[in-house]
Amino acid sequence: EVQLVESGGGLAQPGGSLRLSCAASGFRFNGYWMTWVRQAPGKGLEWVAHIKRDGSEEYYVDSVKGRFAISRDNAKNSLYLQMNSLTAEDTAIYYCARSDWSHAFDVWGQGTMVTVSS
Amino acid sequence: DIQMTQSPSSLSASVGERVTITCRASQSISTYLNWYQQKSGRAPKLLIYAASTLQTGVPSRFSGSGSGTDFTLTISSLQPEDFATYYCQQSYSNPVYTFGQGTKLENK
Repeated sequence: EVQLVESGGGLAQPGGSLRLSCAASGFRFNGYWMTWVRQAPGKGLEWVAHIKRDGSEEYYVDSVKGRFAISRDNAKNSLYLQMNSLTAEDTAIYYCARSDWSHAFDVWGQGTMVTVSS
Repeated sequence: DIQMTQSPSSLSASVGERVTITCRASQSISTYLNWYQQKSGRAPKLLIYAASTLQTGVPSRFSGSGSGTDFTLTISSLQPEDFATYYCQQSYSNPVYTFGQGTKLENK
């Protein structure tokens, strides 16, 4: 079964850091670009970051550039999101997703909640 | 940056009705347009990619059309399980992406 499972969410203080993980199974992980999408409480979807199959290219939404870093370990079938200098505006459910050949996000994890509050 | 605008933001409809949701891009995106369905408390699900191609397993009552800047998602005969929020997403500027703000489809 094709599956993505996120972990690592929780409560962080403003200015703090968190590292999210996404474990992939059921497909050839190194054959796909991967992405993070977030959803603030009661709000819509926001694309956050994207990484090439071999990890050699990364792309970010402007609001997280310089603070967040996407990475992957293809040997461990895992995707990561290092989040630094967190603010209340980063409070959201974070989803990892697989990007297929048509650049659509065809497989999603269940999401992990990040709350930034003092 | 490419902006995506959906209309309406919310919609009330009854089972059996035909429903249409519109998505407009701030510039031409050819057919690089995807549609997602999100039910309350669940992850989004891909419905349609490349503007009009139905994802495997998605019922045929869903259809998509359009190119350039104007796109539509149509549900031909609304079913109880279709009440959800729908999002369009452009992939023209990949690997940078944007979503529309969503359309909440509610039971009348």
